[in-house]
Amino acid sequence: KNEVEQSPQNLTAQEGEFITINCSYSVGISALHWLQQHPGGGIVSLFMLSSGKKKHGRLIATINIQEKHSSLHITASHPRDSAVYICAVSGTSGSRLTFGEGTQLTVNP
Amino acid sequence: EAGVAQSPRYKIIEKRQSVAFWCNPISGHATLYWYQQILGQGPKLLIQFQNNGVVDDSQLPKDRFSAERLKGVDSTLKIQPAKLEDSAVYLCASSLGAEDEKLFFGSGTQLSVL
Repeated sequence: KNEVEQSPQNLTAQEGEFITINCSYSVGISALHWLQQHPGGGIVSLFMLSSGKKKHGRLIATINIQEKHSSLHITASHPRDSAVYICAVSGTSGSRLTFGEGTQLTVNP
Repeated sequence: EAGVAQSPRYKIIEKRQSVAFWCNPISGHATLYWYQQILGQGPKLLIQFQNNGVVDDSQLPKDRFSAERLKGVDSTLKIQPAKLEDSAVYLCASSLGAEDEKLFFGSGTQLSVL
């Protein structure tokens, strides 16, 4: 079992739909990252959080430390949101980041 | 602010050849990471530097991969000799300090080994 599990692996939505991507992890963490990867490899850091909730534009990330679970929500989805979304966790200070396998999101017009 | 710079953008080599990738992190970022991302998988850490010292290279295949970060700024990652299974995107990332800092990624080097 991977230390970081994402679901779903693939997600297809219609423009305007509300989207949720989930991330569960099995280790103690100091922080969780949500990353966006567009075709061609470029990765952009969306959020880094260790508790509660963060919001940036149409994106919302939440984390429940007790349940070892995080969600990334996209409101009013748009075709330009199509990308791979990756969850990564950093363990206790000094330990490496562990990445999930990513969720491929496709938003159709 | 300039981002993390990587070169080359693409590289095609034959197996058993050597290849080197270069990364220039964001100015002032002490921590530098090299990741290998095979198609369809999440990135896998190869090596982590803190300034010019190695923090974690436990997943680096040391028989063929090497990396250095002289002067604690730029870094190079070398593969010698390359194997078919080394075909992947090699990503460089940097952060201000420890791993609970926000990461900034370069655009990666797409390596194809034929």
